Amino acid sequence: EPEVTQTPSHQVTQMGQEVILRCVPISNHLYFYWYRQILGQKVEFLVSFYNNEISEKSEIFDDQFSVERPDGSNFTLKIRSTKLEDSAMYFCASSSGTGKEKLFFGSGTQLSVL
Amino acid sequence: GESVGLHLPTLSVQEGDNSIINCAYSNSASDYFIWYKQESGKGPQFIIDIRSNMDKRQGQRVTVLLNKTVKHLSLQIAATQPGDSAVYFCAENNNFNKFYFGSGTKLNVKP
Repeated sequence: EPEVTQTPSHQVTQMGQEVILRCVPISNHLYFYWYRQILGQKVEFLVSFYNNEISEKSEIFDDQFSVERPDGSNFTLKIRSTKLEDSAMYFCASSSGTGKEKLFFGSGTQLSVL
Repeated sequence: GESVGLHLPTLSVQEGDNSIINCAYSNSASDYFIWYKQESGKGPQFIIDIRSNMDKRQGQRVTVLLNKTVKHLSLQIAATQPGDSAVYFCAENNNFNKFYFGSGTKLNVKP
């Protein structure tokens, strides 16, 4: 069964450092997403991406965040200067984009900012 | 803004019993809903979805009920098994680009 894959599974970084979280969405999907989940809290929407541009972003997704689809398979989330409060589990998701369709999630990257 | 909330943070059931997990949503414009299961250390896993033109949908051992009048969603799991132990989230959608997730209910299945 096709799945969304994310790397790395864990990332530890120092405050102020840049991190790049990587995702390979399901191959025939057209819509891509990043969500995050702070420990014990809700899964929160960050950004959606379609046709090589951001479709929508939340207030969390400020200028420190960016997304990119550098080739035909990868989808990345970059945090330019990490803050302590960026520590969370980051989930990539994709959907077929034929309308309102279910999201398929990856297993997540646990980001710890020290 | 939208809010999606759950009535109970933790639910404990005996193996073999039926489980009912509830969810309230506040945005009457939401027209697509999904239940996700999240096991420890894993991403949300799709269980079942329902669109607002339906009030009930059944899957394998699971049923989702939607009551648009009171903006309430429930997930019923028949013959609950130890492998069903997880956190369950409801998610609502009112545009094509994002889902709003509830806080989650932890389901504990006692052997």
